Amino acid sequence: QKEVEQDPGPLSVPEGAIVSLNCTYSNSAFQYFMWYRQYSRKGPELLMYTYSSGNKEDGRFTAQVDKSSKYISLFIRDSQPSDSATYLCAMIKAAGNKLTFGGGTRVLVKP
Amino acid sequence: ETGVTQSPTHLIKTRGQQVTLRCSSQSGHNTVSWYQQALGQGPQFIFQYYREEENGRGNFPPRFSGLQFPNYSSELNVNALELDDSALYLCASSSPSTGRDTEAFFGQGTRLTVV
Repeated sequence: QKEVEQDPGPLSVPEGAIVSLNCTYSNSAFQYFMWYRQYSRKGPELLMYTYSSGNKEDGRFTAQVDKSSKYISLFIRDSQPSDSATYLCAMIKAAGNKLTFGGGTRVLVKP
Repeated sequence: ETGVTQSPTHLIKTRGQQVTLRCSSQSGHNTVSWYQQALGQGPQFIFQYYREEENGRGNFPPRFSGLQFPNYSSELNVNALELDDSALYLCASSSPSTGRDTEAFFGQGTRLTVV
């Protein structure tokens, strides 16, 4: 079993809809949670990171962490075709230095 | 665009050969991590270099090795290439005050194909 699970999609939504992405994890030692966006043939781009449980908002993006359920989410409001990409969740342990990634969810926003 | 640059962007090698990939970290960043991303998968941690020393290694065999130079640029070397080594190799730089890669910035990657 992988430490971090993520539905591969693809997730297809109409322009303007809310995109809802999530990851589950098994190791309670993870303390820092990141979301990356990766366009085809490009490197991952950091969108947001959150420490421990709670919510964090940045523009159209909201990240949520529920450590009791070992579940994290990313919401994208007012989705645009330019949001079409693969979204990767990643996490780090408190005393760790490496990112552990989910497999990524491919998102397609249709005009 | 991040300040992390990788070269080359694409590479084709034959099984059994050796390859060297290069990474220039973002200005002010002293830590470089390397990741392997197979098609349709998330990146997997290979190793990290901090101030020219290896600072953690993932589940990769010894034929994957690296270097970090005084200017914090880095190389990834892979010996005895296997077909399964075909992947996107990503370099990430950071300047963690506490040793964590919470804000790691990735380069565009090197696409390695082993035939």
